[in-house]
Amino acid sequence: AQTVTQSQPEMSVQEAETVTLSCTYDTSESDYYLFWYKQPPSRQMILVIRQEAYKQQNATENRFSVNFQKAAKSFSLKISDSQLGDAAMYFCAYRSAEYNNNDMRFGAGTRLTVKP
Amino acid sequence: NAGVTQTPKFQVLKTGQSMTLQCAQDMNHNSMYWYRQDPGMGLRLIYYSASEGTTDKGEVPNGYNVSRLNKREFSLRLESAAPSQTSVYFCASSEYRDYGYTFGSGTRLTVV
Repeated sequence: AQTVTQSQPEMSVQEAETVTLSCTYDTSESDYYLFWYKQPPSRQMILVIRQEAYKQQNATENRFSVNFQKAAKSFSLKISDSQLGDAAMYFCAYRSAEYNNNDMRFGAGTRLTVKP
Repeated sequence: NAGVTQTPKFQVLKTGQSMTLQCAQDMNHNSMYWYRQDPGMGLRLIYYSASEGTTDKGEVPNGYNVSRLNKREFSLRLESAAPSQTSVYFCASSEYRDYGYTFGSGTRLTVV
């Protein structure tokens, strides 16, 4: 089974600075999808960004971008110009592209603190 | 607003009691899921329903049952609650594999 590892339980960043959250995964598949979810104190899971494994270009969504290294099985999230509202738990997730595989695997999460 | 609705938001149960968590989505998604979230462990899949009329076990199904009542609704039942089932439970739905999930707001369940 695929596993997702987030090696940083906690991170902090100064407001307006840039922070990178790490994620690695283990898989033997060649086609899959990767996601970053944000969970603020409200508990709601919010999709931040997604990446298709067959695309070499790194995904970007406004201040959020990823560094996808397929060979290294690495999928880090960069948050630029950090804002107080970015404080949350961030989860990296993997989903197989195989038709019969319906499980999305999540990492343990990284708690991001933003300092004013 | 379109999305996934879970009820209740909070629940306290005594050991041995039973309860059903309700989930409904209005996005016409085929697939629905139940996850539990525990500190330091991320989210783990309990059961899922790939389409109406089908259900399958996930990573941690023991102690739970599910019912896909129709395309909109997918319920999770705890027949005899145990303290180990204290957790936050999320329902989610999806249509296309590359779009990720839409999550409900979660249910915080405490079993004493």
